[in-house]
Amino acid sequence: GAVVSQHPSRVICKSGTSVKIECRSLDFQATTMFWYRQFPKQSLMLMATSNEGSKATYEQGVEKDKFLINHASLTLSTLTVTSAHPEDSSFYICSADLAGGPSNQETQYFGPGTRLLVL
Amino acid sequence: SQQGEEDPQALSIQEGENATMNCSYKTSINNLQWYRQNSGRGLVHLILIRSNEREKHSGRLRVTLDTSKKSSSLLITASRAADTASYFCATGERRKLIFGQGTELSVKP
Repeated sequence: GAVVSQHPSRVICKSGTSVKIECRSLDFQATTMFWYRQFPKQSLMLMATSNEGSKATYEQGVEKDKFLINHASLTLSTLTVTSAHPEDSSFYICSADLAGGPSNQETQYFGPGTRLLVL
Repeated sequence: SQQGEEDPQALSIQEGENATMNCSYKTSINNLQWYRQNSGRGLVHLILIRSNEREKHSGRLRVTLDTSKKSSSLLITASRAADTASYFCATGERRKLIFGQGTELSVKP
């Protein structure tokens, strides 16, 4: 149980285009999903926290107009990288925790990641 | 922001040897978790240790936590080539996870 999928697994796009990445919880409902970014050989950096039915909470330094997050249902959150540039090339990973869990919900379930390459 | 540091950054051992990775953190915690990441993949949760616990085991994994030193260690015993991956510690703040820099483990057959 607790499987999270991401689509696409990798995407190559031209500079200036927008790219949408989907994160789905397959067998559970997720009130909260998290979006991370990871550069090669580096750790995961939290970008934003996505709550179903409300606006995402962005971490300091993350441009909310650049990285649009929508969490329309308890099983789907999307991250759209708008007007992508080569410096946006990275590995984007989502995670989810269980809906209805305690306020100190601890374990997160991670998707397999999406590798974005902007040419 | 990163919560802490892990060392070593990279570790190369032979199959059958034990691997020890360390993690330090900065703030008070409720729990500390260890995750594993195979190259280019998502993260897999390995083990969670609470702040009132000192040691925890799961199969070949042993995690210790020293809250006075704000540090934790992950020991993998009898390593296998399949253990080759990056290992991250993470602490939670209001449901958000903050990850350490990670240790890249290479187990040679």
